[in-house]
Amino acid sequence: DGGITQSPKYLFRKEGQNVTLSCEQNLNHDAMYWYRQDPGQGLRLIYYSQIVNDFQKGDIAEGYSVSREKKESFPLTVTSAQKNPTAFYLCASSIYGVRMNTEAFFGQGTRLTVV
Amino acid sequence: GNSVTQMEGPVTLSEEAFLTINCTYTATGYPSLFWYVQYPGEGLQLLLKATKADDKGSNKGFEATYRKETTSFHLEKGSVQVSDSAVYFCALRALTGGGNKLTFGTGTQLKVEL
Repeated sequence: DGGITQSPKYLFRKEGQNVTLSCEQNLNHDAMYWYRQDPGQGLRLIYYSQIVNDFQKGDIAEGYSVSREKKESFPLTVTSAQKNPTAFYLCASSIYGVRMNTEAFFGQGTRLTVV
Repeated sequence: GNSVTQMEGPVTLSEEAFLTINCTYTATGYPSLFWYVQYPGEGLQLLLKATKADDKGSNKGFEATYRKETTSFHLEKGSVQVSDSAVYFCALRALTGGGNKLTFGTGTQLKVEL
């Protein structure tokens, strides 16, 4: 079955450590996105990528980094510079990044808890 | 910039009641509009979409009409079920300086009781 796989579902890290969240898709989608979800704040865009080897900052990129070396993969690193990293992280993809009528497909999310 | 405003939740209804969740937007140009649903502990699933003015999106008994004159995309269902309990997000995709991306509202939690 085609889809987006995020792993792990739950992740615990100590404060000050970097952590990388995995996102893989087999939908042959060009565009991929990372969102952060906090209670009562909806989804906020961290980074997005419309083609391989290219990505742009979203609204809350500080303290995060990404790479897009393969079309299928868009890992997100939460660095120690992110002041409040505990959140639910959602990865998404869509067919054509520049077309406006295409919806995004979401993974199941990773809940990161920093202690 | 682009933005989406949804009604505050939680919305609590009895089974078989009529549902309306309001959504209004601000965007440049002619955005596409979407409703997503999120069940507890899961990612978002597309519920319905509309890509131009006066289009009506529908799925699983839910409907929403793209109203350009009022910049709205309200979600409706004639008879809700307990299984409809979830968080509903209104979203738009519009051109911005850096390409186009999805902008979401803050979500509206729906609780349906027997």
